[in-house]
Amino acid sequence: EVQLVESGGGVIRPGGSLRLSCAVSGFTFDDFAMNWVRQVPGKGLEWVSGINWNGDDTAYADSVKGRFAISRDNAKNSLFLQMDSLRDEDTAFYFCVRGSSIGIRNFLDYWGQGTLVTVSS
Amino acid sequence: QSVLTQPPSASGTPGQRVTISCSGNSSNIGRNFLYWYHHLPGTAPKLLIRRNNQRPSGVPDRFSGSKSGTSASLAISGLRSEDEADYFCATWDDSLSRWVFGGGTKLTVL
Repeated sequence: EVQLVESGGGVIRPGGSLRLSCAVSGFTFDDFAMNWVRQVPGKGLEWVSGINWNGDDTAYADSVKGRFAISRDNAKNSLFLQMDSLRDEDTAFYFCVRGSSIGIRNFLDYWGQGTLVTVSS
Repeated sequence: QSVLTQPPSASGTPGQRVTISCSGNSSNIGRNFLYWYHHLPGTAPKLLIRRNNQRPSGVPDRFSGSKSGTSASLAISGLRSEDEADYFCATWDDSLSRWVFGGGTKLTVL
């Protein structure tokens, strides 16, 4: 069974940093691209970032470019999102999402339950 | 504001057929496959329809998808109370070079 479990969310002050993690199981991690997608409570979804199977191709939404960094550790079946210079508007549920194949453009098939990041003073 | 446009709500009675629309433009829906997801808040979203009209294994045939031009729709027939959830559409946008989503439609089973 494919499982994606996010962790690392919490309350952080504006300007602070947070690192999200996603532990995966039930599939061969390095056969798939991975993504982070966020949802402001009660609002629509926003794709945040994606990384291909071996980490040498990454992409970011304009809203987070230069502040967030996606990475992966294939040996540990883990995906990460380093979030720096956090802003109030980054407050959202962050979902770890598998791509259906090795590249970032492949459709999003399995999702985690999400972890809540709250940026507030 | 979401790139893809969905109605914020939809409703139906048990046994009815409901449809949810998703509209975009020539850079997204017009060029790429459309995907539908089912989401109960607090749980993991689940892929419902892939590549416009294909159901992953385990998804009942009560759910169907279609696409024409820059619009798509999700149809749910034989509505059940357990279908009450949020439904959102997604596709790749060639101009934005990223995945884009609809704002989600909250389905209520009356």
